[in-house]
Amino acid sequence: DQQVKQNSPSLSVQEGRISILNCDYTNSMFDYFLWYKKYPAEGPTFLISISSIKDKNEDGRFTVFLNKSAKHLSLHIVPSQPGDSAVYFCAATRYGNKLVFGAGTILRVKS
Amino acid sequence: GAVVSQHPSRVICKSGTSVKIECRSLDFQATTMFWYRQFPKQSLMLMATSNEGSKATYEQGVEKDKFLINHASLTLSTLTVTSAHPEDSSFYICSARGPLGRGGLQETQYFGPGTRLLVL
Repeated sequence: DQQVKQNSPSLSVQEGRISILNCDYTNSMFDYFLWYKKYPAEGPTFLISISSIKDKNEDGRFTVFLNKSAKHLSLHIVPSQPGDSAVYFCAATRYGNKLVFGAGTILRVKS
Repeated sequence: GAVVSQHPSRVICKSGTSVKIECRSLDFQATTMFWYRQFPKQSLMLMATSNEGSKATYEQGVEKDKFLINHASLTLSTLTVTSAHPEDSSFYICSARGPLGRGGLQETQYFGPGTRLLVL
């Protein structure tokens, strides 16, 4: 049972435009959500997170939106840069428990 | 802050030998570390949760006698792949749960750079 789903395996965006990466979850007990970026043959890098008590968190070019009623979160990257090209994983957890990862979305930013 | 290192970054070994991978939290203490495995074109698979001073908790289907985990200090966890076989070849990644007092970031896991294991 996939509790965290990233339904888009890949996304291609023009440099300077907005990248929107989506993630859906099924477990209503999750209360903390994270986005990680991963290059091939490297460990994931933490990008941004959001607690279930918020609906938006912003950090520079990265904004995460959480819609609890829809069990949906999204990561917005504005403006997109070629260096943003990577695999993006969303993850969810309940306090004190392990992270549950989505399958990842490959983002390609074209210059 | 919140840097995690892994050593070695790459290892090639003969079938039947054992390989030890170290995971260190460099600038914070981590009571909990995690070991993941990633197969090509697949997501991260949690293998086990490592708690300082106690036995690791293994995920279903992961052989605890095959993948020995030791978390002897607040900054070091080790994964030993015993009697490695070619099917154990993979990318192993550790993570450490973040430090306290950083606005909820205790729940954030910080990942090491990974170790590529190739068993011949």
